[in-house]
Amino acid sequence: EIVLTQSPGTLSLSPGERATLSCRASQSVSSSYLAWYQQKCGQAPRLLIYGASSRATGIPDRFSGSGSGTDFTLTISRLEPEDFAVYYCQQYGSSPWTFGQGTKVEIK
Amino acid sequence: QVQLVQSGAEVKKPGASVKVSCKASGYTFTGYYMHWVRQAPGQGLEWMGWINPNSGGTNYAQKFQGWVTMTRDASISTAYLELSSLKSDDTAVYYCARSRQWLHWFDPWGQGTLVTVSS
Repeated sequence: EIVLTQSPGTLSLSPGERATLSCRASQSVSSSYLAWYQQKCGQAPRLLIYGASSRATGIPDRFSGSGSGTDFTLTISRLEPEDFAVYYCQQYGSSPWTFGQGTKVEIK
Repeated sequence: QVQLVQSGAEVKKPGASVKVSCKASGYTFTGYYMHWVRQAPGQGLEWMGWINPNSGGTNYAQKFQGWVTMTRDASISTAYLELSSLKSDDTAVYYCARSRQWLHWFDPWGQGTLVTVSS
């Protein structure tokens, strides 16, 4: 099973700042089959990025994904108030599909 | 629009079973896989398995084999998750989520069903 480790656990930033979230895999994720989700309190997760770098439909271009192999990054170029949430990475290259433990982006 | 609507919250005693439903609309139900993901209170996301609504074939994460059953009724575009022999640490929100056949990112998700196991 591929273990995904996200860092940092919590990111304290102000609106307008840049957020950089990391997701590291215990082994290579085939074909960059990595997705990112946003989850707000009391809501279901929402797909942001798939294939490591492709934005899902309707996702603003301030969200971008990059990486390959074992190291992946989600970048939010300028934080908007609605972006403060928990973010999860998920790999779907090797069953069982697994998630990282999440990074909370909170208002500083 | 594509939508997944789940059944309401449940409260069960330890040892009981529960069946959660997920009704799909806005797309061809048999053309996409349906997954189930759970989230214990204050915790992260855990993938449980998938069902192919076309064939009924399933693939469960090893942890859930033997006590989780995923089924579907294609005539009403609904997938089901049945959990048996419930324990208190099965208390969680259970989500259904759609994926393509060979590309298992999840979009969209149902709103979630809280299952509480308590004596």
